[in-house]
Amino acid sequence: EVQLVQSGAEVKKPGESLRISCKGSGYSFTSYWISWVRQMPGKGLEWMGRIDPSDSYTNYSPSFQGHVTISADKSISTAYLQWSSLKASDTAMYYCARHSCTNGVCSPSDAFDIWGQGTMVTVSS
Amino acid sequence: SYVLTQPPSVSVAPGKTARITCGGNNIGSKSVHWYQQKPGQAPVLVIYYDSDRPSGIPERFSGSNSGNTATLTISRVEAGDEADYYCQVWDSSSDHRGVFGGGTKLTVL
Repeated sequence: EVQLVQSGAEVKKPGESLRISCKGSGYSFTSYWISWVRQMPGKGLEWMGRIDPSDSYTNYSPSFQGHVTISADKSISTAYLQWSSLKASDTAMYYCARHSCTNGVCSPSDAFDIWGQGTMVTVSS
Repeated sequence: SYVLTQPPSVSVAPGKTARITCGGNNIGSKSVHWYQQKPGQAPVLVIYYDSDRPSGIPERFSGSNSGNTATLTISRVEAGDEADYYCQVWDSSSDHRGVFGGGTKLTVL
């Protein structure tokens, strides 16, 4: 079964660092890009950025550039989303999502065909 | 940056047809994807590349895209279709950044 399994919920204080993970299984991890999507409480979906696990190329939404870092360790089929200094406004559910890439070729027009279950991050003093 | 506009809510009686729109400048030139999100769950892809259905998605779900509006159509609506629906495109004018619409809450009366 193709799936993305994310790490568990986190409760942090402002200023702390955090890394959450997204482990792919059931498919060739390096053949599919991974994006991260934020959903603040009661709000809609926001695309944060994506990574090509084969070479770790990333691109970010301007809204998140410089505040988060996306990375991947292809040896363990895992993508990461990292903060060096959390803010209360980072409180949200974070999803990883696989790009639908066809026959091992990813396109900038791809849909997100597989989603992780989400990781809830709460930042509060 | 590219903006997608969805109506906040759509209501429909069971058995009727629901149409959820997604507006954007010349959106017909882009590929539109649609996601369904039920409360407490991760989003699920229901339509990709304007009108294709992933395996396991009922034929009642269909999509179209032309001009400045893309539309998700759900025929013979069921109570289980009640959810939030999001359209999504890639903004190729800005290093291929993902863009989501604000979401539409579908209520089955």
